[in-house]
Amino acid sequence: GQNIDQPTEMTATEGAIVQINCTYQTSGFNGLFWYQQHAGEAPTFLSYNVLDGLEEKGRFSSFLSRSKGYSYLLLKELQMKDSASYLCAPRGEGGGNKLTFGTGTQLKVEL
Amino acid sequence: GAVVSQHPSWVICKSGTSVKIECRSLDFQATTMFWYRQFPKQSLMLMATSNEGSKATYEQGVEKDKFLINHASLTLSTLTVTSAHPEDSSFYICSAGEQGPKTKAFFGQGTRLTVV
Repeated sequence: GQNIDQPTEMTATEGAIVQINCTYQTSGFNGLFWYQQHAGEAPTFLSYNVLDGLEEKGRFSSFLSRSKGYSYLLLKELQMKDSASYLCAPRGEGGGNKLTFGTGTQLKVEL
Repeated sequence: GAVVSQHPSWVICKSGTSVKIECRSLDFQATTMFWYRQFPKQSLMLMATSNEGSKATYEQGVEKDKFLINHASLTLSTLTVTSAHPEDSSFYICSAGEQGPKTKAFFGQGTRLTVV
């Protein structure tokens, strides 16, 4: 099975930087995904890490430490539209596209 | 990138009737697709894995006779909510991805089901 732990809610200011942490336990490991989900909409893909280290993609970066079962999503230059739920989804053994999600982190960006 | 299309986006049905939701992979073939359900302010819960040409694999606690899944082709999976009740009202989302152990999953737009 899988255990995924993320903070439930976070609040940050427009223009600031925020880091959303995720710790996980899986049976085997085949990468970790981060998705963004706005209320009432389906999740959209943000990033994928399979090796340790930082993956940068514009304002969004994601970090992975496999030995620690830890990942974080870093959002820079926050914008109001970044207010959403952020879902951490580690992929267990077997790979494929079957993902299990935690509760997600609801991020609120304020002026 | 890979595109997954889900239809309808929203549906309202009477209690006791059945509703069919379609999930299509538009530019790739998917031997497996996944169905999730999400209640307000909760996470996505995996309901079942749809397998092309064979029976779906249901997660624990999901009634297979209530949530019928058919995956008759490599680009289409359907979820039928049978004898719907108000407690089945939820956001249903499908996902799929190209084959291979390191691919990523793309999600359909989701279907908001309201049973009255």
